[in-house]
Amino acid sequence: DQQVKQNSPSLSVQEGRISILNCDYTNSMFDYFLWYKKYPAEGPTFLISISSIKDKNEDGRFTVFLNKSAKHLSLHIVPSQPGDSAVYFCAAGGAGNMLTFGGGTRLMVKP
Amino acid sequence: GAGVSQTPSNKVTEKGKYVELRCDPISGHTALYWYRQSLGQGPEFLIYFQGTGAADDSGLPNDRFFAVRPEGSVSTLKIQRTERGDSAVYLCASSNNGAGGVSDTQYFGPGTRLTVL
Repeated sequence: DQQVKQNSPSLSVQEGRISILNCDYTNSMFDYFLWYKKYPAEGPTFLISISSIKDKNEDGRFTVFLNKSAKHLSLHIVPSQPGDSAVYFCAAGGAGNMLTFGGGTRLMVKP
Repeated sequence: GAGVSQTPSNKVTEKGKYVELRCDPISGHTALYWYRQSLGQGPEFLIYFQGTGAADDSGLPNDRFFAVRPEGSVSTLKIQRTERGDSAVYLCASSNNGAGGVSDTQYFGPGTRLTVL
């Protein structure tokens, strides 16, 4: 049973517009969440994180929103740039130190 | 080095052979993690070290997989009697102190792509 799900395998957005990537989780024991970005042949690169005591965290063009009651988080990228084209993974952590990852969403930003 | 490094970047082996994958964490990071990423999926946790000891090995799929970190820095993931299903990208990550939470971000290396023929 997948505890972290990214239901959209791909997303295409025009340059300059907003990209919204979504993630759902089932385990209420998760207490922090992260987004990683991955280019081909590279490891995941940390983007932004959020603690479960917050509902929003912002870093430049990237904002993560957390809705605990819905067990849902989203990553907003605005404005989107062609260099943002990559696979984005959401991950969740809890009492243990392991991260549980979603399956990823491939974002394509068109010039 | 500035980041997590992993060697080799690619490894091709034959079914039944033994392989070793190496991870060099960020200097000073006490916590080290191994994950495995199969095609089209997200990384899956294998094992976590705090210093020299394996604090959590619940993700290792079976006893063919073993990992060590004898001096609390470099780690080696060892796979015996490799099978075709072991083919994946093996990712290593390190974090500052293993406390978890948003203040203990895991930083990943580039991975080793293992192909078992």
